[in-house]
Amino acid sequence: EPEVTQTPSHQVTQMGQEVILRCVPISNHLYFYWYRQILGQKVEFLVSFYNNEISEKSEIFDDQFSVERPDGSNFTLKIRSTKLEDSAMYFCASQPLPRADTQYFGPGTRLTVL
Amino acid sequence: AQTVTQSQPEMSVQEAETVTLSCTYDTSESNYYLFWYKQPPSRQMILVIRQEAYKQQNATENRFSVNFQKAAKSFSLKISDSQLGDTAMYFCAFGGSQGNLIFGKGTKLSVKP
Repeated sequence: EPEVTQTPSHQVTQMGQEVILRCVPISNHLYFYWYRQILGQKVEFLVSFYNNEISEKSEIFDDQFSVERPDGSNFTLKIRSTKLEDSAMYFCASQPLPRADTQYFGPGTRLTVL
Repeated sequence: AQTVTQSQPEMSVQEAETVTLSCTYDTSESNYYLFWYKQPPSRQMILVIRQEAYKQQNATENRFSVNFQKAAKSFSLKISDSQLGDTAMYFCAFGGSQGNLIFGKGTKLSVKP
């Protein structure tokens, strides 16, 4: 069964460094999302992406964040200058159809900012 | 704005028994989807069950079923014949017109032998 994959599984970085989190969505899916989950808290929406542009973004998704689909398969989340509070689990999700359909989540990337 | 509330931070159940997790939500939309996701200690998000708001029939998936009360904006998850592998965090989520999911704070379920 096709699945969403994410790399790396765990990333440790120093405060102020740039990180790129990578996701490979399910191949025939059209909508892509990034969510984050700070340890012990609920999952929060960051950004949605369709047709090579951002569809929606939350107030968390400020100028430090960017997303890109550099080729036909990868979907990346970049954090330009990491802060301690960016430490969290980051989930990528993909969806075959627009709006209210099932989103399939990747296994997540645990980001630790020191 | 839509909100999702899970009022039970933690629950426990004996193996083979039945447990019900509660979820309420608030929305002004009429067409939407509701989901239950399971998050085991590995922290992977696994879809358990989904319900389309326009369907009156409650969704079921093997030992998992929901009680969807649209007027009351309630969406509870029933797990029958609980198994040790059901131990996890369970998140209720709302999917509406904006596309992104809105999650509740989760219920930590422990299944005891």
